[in-house]
Amino acid sequence: LAKTTQPISMDSYEGQEVNITCSHNNIATNDYITWYQQFPSQGPRFIIQGYKTKVTNEVASLFIPADRKSSTLSLPRVSLSDTAVYYCLVGALTYNTDKLIFGTGTRLQVFP
Amino acid sequence: EAGVTQFPSHSVIEKGQTVTLRCDPISGHDNLYWYRRVMGKEIKFLLHFVKESKQDESGMPNNRFLAERTGGTYSTLKVQPAELEDSGVYFCASSQDRNNEQFFGPGTRLTVL
Repeated sequence: LAKTTQPISMDSYEGQEVNITCSHNNIATNDYITWYQQFPSQGPRFIIQGYKTKVTNEVASLFIPADRKSSTLSLPRVSLSDTAVYYCLVGALTYNTDKLIFGTGTRLQVFP
Repeated sequence: EAGVTQFPSHSVIEKGQTVTLRCDPISGHDNLYWYRRVMGKEIKFLLHFVKESKQDESGMPNNRFLAERTGGTYSTLKVQPAELEDSGVYFCASSQDRNNEQFFGPGTRLTVL
């Protein structure tokens, strides 16, 4: 599965837009890009998934350029409750398994 | 709809003892996964059940770990005998379809002294 690289940490203030970029230079043709969020003392939670271009849901947007070697998770107008670790995962469904491979994640701290 | 639940939330045992962790997936989810994060490391996949069958157990660290899912509902993960390096947080997740949206439980924090 493709290796991902993302910033270890980011700081922001309430009301700002936060963009977290993930690099995945070795992404394969059938790989999807998925982001998870994890709050302290909780398990990871699925945020968004995409293959190419732009995906938007009620929580975030995911921007994927044409070469798919990177992706950007965009959180509009963050609040204190968005303080969490955000994981970028890249992988494809296979017949045998769909295990998730987590990297180190980006620790986002939102200040008042 | 109830989410994935795990029991216990915390467990403190001594080296050499046995511990059994339990996971109740979301009702109707055929896919059940176990993951763990040991101190300072990343979350790592342990194994994947489809109903009662082990689909992928490539992440199980050694034969001290035994996972079961009899009847295809809840699952248990037994560590026997526990070692110091087994300390960490054990997560269970479930999914209905084979996609990348897995629903995680809150985890069980295991401390081996």
